[in-house]
Amino acid sequence: AQSVSQHNHHVILSEAASLELGCNYSYGGTVNLFWYVQYPGQHLQLLLKYFSGDPLVKGIKGFEAEFIKSKFSFNLRKPSVQWSDTAEYFCAVNTGTASKLTFGTGTRLQVTL
Amino acid sequence: NAGVTQTPKFRVLKTGQSMTLLCAQDMNHEYMYWYRQDPGMGLRLIHYSVGEGTTAKGEVPDGYNVSRLKKQNFLLGLESAAPSQTSVYFCASSPTSLLNTGELFFGEGSRLTVL
Repeated sequence: AQSVSQHNHHVILSEAASLELGCNYSYGGTVNLFWYVQYPGQHLQLLLKYFSGDPLVKGIKGFEAEFIKSKFSFNLRKPSVQWSDTAEYFCAVNTGTASKLTFGTGTRLQVTL
Repeated sequence: NAGVTQTPKFRVLKTGQSMTLLCAQDMNHEYMYWYRQDPGMGLRLIHYSVGEGTTAKGEVPDGYNVSRLKKQNFLLGLESAAPSQTSVYFCASSPTSLLNTGELFFGEGSRLTVL
């Protein structure tokens, strides 16, 4: 069965620091990849997604992610984080099924002033 | 626009009690899902529905039942609650197959504690 690994469980950064959150998946076929974010007290929402084409995808609020097929990775990046980016971030993979996203365990990002 | 609404938001049960979580969406979405979120385990799919009157098992269906009698509602039932079902439950919906857009629209979650 496919799985998604997020190795960073809790990340603490100062404002303006650069961010990179790791996401690796285990599946050899075609995948669609996603990052979801859950701000404190809010519901999960889509940050960005990759279906095909340019492996560097841009999402909302200045986030981007790069799909590297050879490394089975889809890392999330932001050049300069803000306090408002404090949230939990989930990577997710769809491996060609109509109704199933497999989520990673999440990374809690805390941005300090 | 309410989106996806879950009720109740919080509930405490004793072992063996039953309860139903209600999920309602006003976006006319075909697909609906129930996930549970546990520390260190991410979100795991319990059951899902691809349309009114249909249901299917996800990764962790044991101990839960679901019904989709109306397109806008997806109910998750616990017939005999166990402490292992203490979790945060999320309902989600999508307009069509995840192969088309991949975007899930989530509710705010329901925190269930089973004593």
